[in-house]
Order: sequence, then C-alpha cells, then structure tokens
Amino acid sequence: QKEVEQDPGPLSVPEGAIVSLNCTYSNSAFQYFMWYRQYSRKGPELLMYTYSSGNKEDGRFTAQVDKSSKYISLFIRDSQPSDSATYLCAMSYQGGSEKLVFGKGMKLTVNP
Amino acid sequence: NAGVTQTPKFRVLKTGQSMTLLCAQDMNHEYMYWYRQDPGMGLRLIHYSVGEGTTAKGEVPDGYNVSRLKKQNFLLGLESAAPSQTSVYFCASRPSGGVGTGELFFGEGSRLTVL
Repeated sequence: QKEVEQDPGPLSVPEGAIVSLNCTYSNSAFQYFMWYRQYSRKGPELLMYTYSSGNKEDGRFTAQVDKSSKYISLFIRDSQPSDSATYLCAMSYQGGSEKLVFGKGMKLTVNP
Repeated sequence: NAGVTQTPKFRVLKTGQSMTLLCAQDMNHEYMYWYRQDPGMGLRLIHYSVGEGTTAKGEVPDGYNVSRLKKQNFLLGLESAAPSQTSVYFCASRPSGGVGTGELFFGEGSRLTVL
C-alpha cells in the first residue's frame, strides 16, 4: 500500500458545483497536509496548508483533515472554469523531514 | 523576480546520449529538489539538496546524478539516457525555515523525450 492514495479521476463537473477531492494515507506520523494546484503545462503551486486535524477555509476552498480516519479532503464551492486543473495532495512528517509525499493528483474540469 | 527557472524547457535525446538540466532559483532558498512526473505515477522525488555542496537520494535516483555547487543552482544529469527517462522534470525549492510547512516553489518543468 502506498503511503498516500488519491483517485486520479478525471472528474468533470458543471460550473457552480461543489467539488470534493480526497486523499487517504497510511502513515500516522504525517502531521502537515497540503493541497497543490497544477494548471496544464505548469508547475504545481501551493493552494492550502493544514497542520494536524481540523478545517481551514480560504475563500471558496476548504481543507479538512481527519487524522483518526487518515483522510483529507479539499472542497471547492461555486466551482469556476478557472478551477480546472490537477489537484495534488501532499503530506510531510514533523521533525526535520525534508520531503513531501505526494498523491498522484486528480484532474478536475469545470464546464461552463 | 523570476522564482525557479528551468532550462531547457524541451529536449529530445537519443538512447545513450547525456544531458544536464539546470535549475536556478533567485529566492536564496536552502532546499532544492528534482522531481519527475509521469502519467498515473504522480510526482516522484529523484534527488534533493539541503544546502550548497550537499545532495541526497530520493525515491527514484537510479540513472541520474546531481550537483549543487552554488546555492542558487541545482543540476540534474543523465549520463546515458534511456526511454524510461522520458518524463516531465520539475525542480522545486523552499527555504530552510518552516520545515514541515511544505511550501515548495516549482519551476515550469522540462519535457524530456528519449527515443
């Protein structure tokens, strides 16, 4: 079992839909959880960052971490065509880890 | 402010040829990374560096070498290219502070095809 599992999709939704993207993980040592967004033919960029459990909201985006279930989610409200991208979850350990572990990425298309 | 710049952006090689990918960052970051991204495989770490003069192996280091002679540059070398090394390569950097926050700054990628 890989440390981080993410359904690669693709996922296609109409404009205005609520989108839910998810990752599961197996290593309970992970404490930092991130979502990166990658537009076509570009490098990934950090979208949301969460430490330990709980929710974090930024505009139309909400990141949720459930450490008891080893499950993280990214919700996008009122999705827009400009949200069309690949979304990658990423995680890291506390205590000096230099490396992130990435999910495979989910390709999202929001149709106008 | 350019951020992370990768050169070249595209390259086609024949099997057995060698080449070097250059990554340059102007943010004075300590940490630098080379990833490859393949369909269905996600981002996989090749090598990384925690400071000038240091390098370390990542998840898929075989067939690649790296050097970090200057803080701002991280070079990825392929000594004898193989078709399995056809991929999109991303360089990333981050500052040493805030370990665990995970904000990597990525370049735009270098697309390599090995025939």
